[in-house]
Amino acid sequence: QSVLSQPPSASGTPGQRVTISCSGSSSNIGSNTVNWYQQLPGTAPKLLIYSNNQRPSGVPARFSGSKSGTSASLAISGLQSEDEADYYCAAWDDSLNAVVFGGGTKLTVL
Amino acid sequence: EVQLVESGGGLVKPGGSLRLSCAASGFTFSSYSMNWVRQAPGKGLEWVSSISSSSSYIYYADSVKGRFTISRDNAKNSLYLQMNSLRAEDTAVYYCAREGDIVVVVGAGWDYWGQGTLVTVSS
Repeated sequence: QSVLSQPPSASGTPGQRVTISCSGSSSNIGSNTVNWYQQLPGTAPKLLIYSNNQRPSGVPARFSGSKSGTSASLAISGLQSEDEADYYCAAWDDSLNAVVFGGGTKLTVL
Repeated sequence: EVQLVESGGGLVKPGGSLRLSCAASGFTFSSYSMNWVRQAPGKGLEWVSSISSSSSYIYYADSVKGRFTISRDNAKNSLYLQMNSLRAEDTAVYYCAREGDIVVVVGAGWDYWGQGTLVTVSS
């Protein structure tokens, strides 16, 4: 059981906008920044969003992040087939003194 | 170009030990915190351990505390993970990853990852 909660799956058609939620608590998302990772099949994870809503250079503007209270969201607009991947949220947890992850969301582009 | 290359994985019996290495290049290794993250076959990501740039701050997941030791050699641009008392549930691909912000010990996001090394614990 992951400390952060994500839906196990999400889907959309090309061009659509999809959002993936990440729910935590006051000791993690509520008091620390959230990072999002994309993992394409058979590859190492890639940093997609850091500090709740910042995109590393090279990440398309189609990807955006937000945080409110103890929840965070990743939004992908203009969905493309190459966005089919697993997405993970992560944050530092002050109570556990640990980085905690969501269980991951498998995004399918229909 | 930033590169992180893990090595040292393999097959080990339960109760055995293994030492993973991560060779870093393309950046000032001594300025960044580093991390180990693992992924069991078909499962999600799990943080294992973090070490600050000067080794002053070290953190472990409860699942490995007391069995694993993270260390680094800034002169050799290398990160290590000594794994003792290995269990079947430690079977995973182990990634090393760089903290994305030099002023943050952990939590800023991991901006570079290695390709991973597979550790299999089985009799």
